[in-house]
Order: sequence, then structure tokens, then C-alpha cells
Amino acid sequence: EPEVTQTPSHQVTQMGQEVILRCVPISNHLYFYWYRQILGQKVEFLVSFYNNEISEKSEIFDDQFSVERPDGSNFTLKIRSTKLEDSAMYFCASREQGADGYTFGSGTRLTVV
Amino acid sequence: KNEVEQSPQNLTAQEGEFITINCSYSVGISALHWLQQHPGGGIVSLFMLSSGKKKHGRLIATINIQEKHSSLHITASHPRDSAVYICAVWGRGSGSRLTFGEGTQLTVNP
Repeated sequence: EPEVTQTPSHQVTQMGQEVILRCVPISNHLYFYWYRQILGQKVEFLVSFYNNEISEKSEIFDDQFSVERPDGSNFTLKIRSTKLEDSAMYFCASREQGADGYTFGSGTRLTVV
Repeated sequence: KNEVEQSPQNLTAQEGEFITINCSYSVGISALHWLQQHPGGGIVSLFMLSSGKKKHGRLIATINIQEKHSSLHITASHPRDSAVYICAVWGRGSGSRLTFGEGTQLTVNP
């Protein structure tokens, strides 16, 4: 069964450093998403991406965050200057045109120290 | 008030028991998802519903759009069903973002 692949599975970074979380969505999917889950809390929407641009973003997705689809296969989330409160599990998801179902990646656990 | 409320928060059952997890939501929706999250953290989609009922193996999901309520049932529960079960809604007019409930931690004991 096709999968959404996320790398790395776990990243530890110093506060103030830039991190890039990588995702390879399913190849025929057209809609891409980033969600995050702070430990012990519910999953929260960050951003959706379609047709090479952001289609929607939450209030969490401030100027420190950016997304890119640099080469037609990867979908990346960049955090420019990490804060302690950015520590969370970050999930990438994708879905097909016209389909309602989402496929989630296995997540990247980001720890900011 | 959260847009998506799940109950119970925690549920412990004996192997073989019939399990029900409930989800209520306060917004108009296009669809509702039931998801499973294992201890490692990965999320797996179980069902997407916009009306009626769906069944997959021992799992059954129902939705009542008028009452803004959905249930996930597990028949003949097994220890491998132990996980967090999450309800998430795709609200009408919300683009395609999902709004998640807090999740229900299910533990099935042998």
C-alpha cells in the first residue's frame, strides 16, 4: 500500500537553530498538509498546500514556519529559529484530487533543547 | 468548548468485550474521520464517513449528521486493539483542514 514517508523520525536541535522536516507524499496525491501534536495534547493543523502554494494556514503557522515542494516529490516544513515550545510530533499528510481520505506519515518527533 | 468532543477519555476493557467510543461535534461538517494512533505515534486512518455506517473487519463506524454524533465500535476486542482512537472532522467551509478531538486511550487486557 502506498505510504507517506517522513524523515527523520526523530530530530534533536538547539533552540534558535533552523530545522527542515521532510516528507515524500504519495505520488498521485495533490493536496499536502502539516499537522503537529505537542506531547499530551491533540493534533493541530498547521498548513495545507495545493498547486505549489499555501491554500490555508493556522494561527500557529507564523513567519518562523515555511513550506516548500522543491522538486515535485518532496514536501518540506522549515522552522527558521526553533523555540522550546516547537517540540512536538510533526505529521505530514496527503490526499488525492477529489478523494476525502487522508494518508498520514509516521511523524517526525522534534525535540528542541 | 472544543469543536470536537470525545468520550470516554480513557477506556479499559477485557479481551472479547464490545467497545464503543463516542464523538460529538459542534460545526457543520463535510466528513468525519476515525483515526488510530499507536504508542510510537504514527496515525492510521480507519474510516471516513459522511453518512450512515461503515464496517471493516471488527470495526464499525456510524454517524448521525442531524445529531452531530459519531460512534466507533470494536467487536470482540483484542489486546492488539490497544491504542488511542481519534475523531477528526472536516468542517464545511474550513478548506480541507481536519479538526481533531482529544482522543480516547483504549487498553484491552488479556
